[in-house]
Amino acid sequence: DIVVTQSPLSLPVTPGESASISCRSSQSLVNSNGYNCLDWYLQKPGQSPQLLIYLGSNRASGVPDRLSGSASGTDFTLKISRVEAEDVGVYYCMQALQTPYTFGQGTKLEIK
Amino acid sequence: QITVKESGPPLVKPTQTLTLTCTFSGFSLTTTGVAVGWIRQPPGKALEWLALIFWDDDKRYRPSLKSRLTITKDTSKNQVVLTMTNMDPVDTATYYCAHRTQYGAKGWFDPWGPGTLVTVSS
Repeated sequence: DIVVTQSPLSLPVTPGESASISCRSSQSLVNSNGYNCLDWYLQKPGQSPQLLIYLGSNRASGVPDRLSGSASGTDFTLKISRVEAEDVGVYYCMQALQTPYTFGQGTKLEIK
Repeated sequence: QITVKESGPPLVKPTQTLTLTCTFSGFSLTTTGVAVGWIRQPPGKALEWLALIFWDDDKRYRPSLKSRLTITKDTSKNQVVLTMTNMDPVDTATYYCAHRTQYGAKGWFDPWGPGTLVTVSS
């Protein structure tokens, strides 16, 4: 199985500041078409996960442009600019290159 | 608008078989590029992918649970059913189903259902 490792696991952020979450995979997630098969999901408190970013850097519909995803080899980053109260929750990365799809451990973002 | 929703028993006994149903609207599982997956989350823990069924009836399972899982679809009812045999207390979790868009080698889960909590206890 592809192992996906997230850091940090806890992320306290002051409103208005930026935050970054890292996700590292145990192998390349580039598919035969050159796409990075890594997605980012946010699970807000008491809710089900929602798609934020797909294929490494594509924002899902309705996701503010304060959020951005990037990839460099086996390292992936989710950046949140100007953190707001609505950004609170647990962020998960998930590799979708091959089954079994595997998730990171989750990063809990909280407001200071 | 695509919606998915899980249903099933909130409580099952150890060794019993769990049957979960995902009822969806806004898409058809006969359309090329469509799939439905199941993911679970034990209380306070991370997400774990379980199974996936594609429009062409291709099925994928988590290898460690493959012997216990069966995923099927009923396109006339717009439903996907997941069965898990020989339930154990460690299987206590919220079970989610999710619509998956799959274009060739690229795909993503969106949206997810609200989830259904299943507790395994005697």
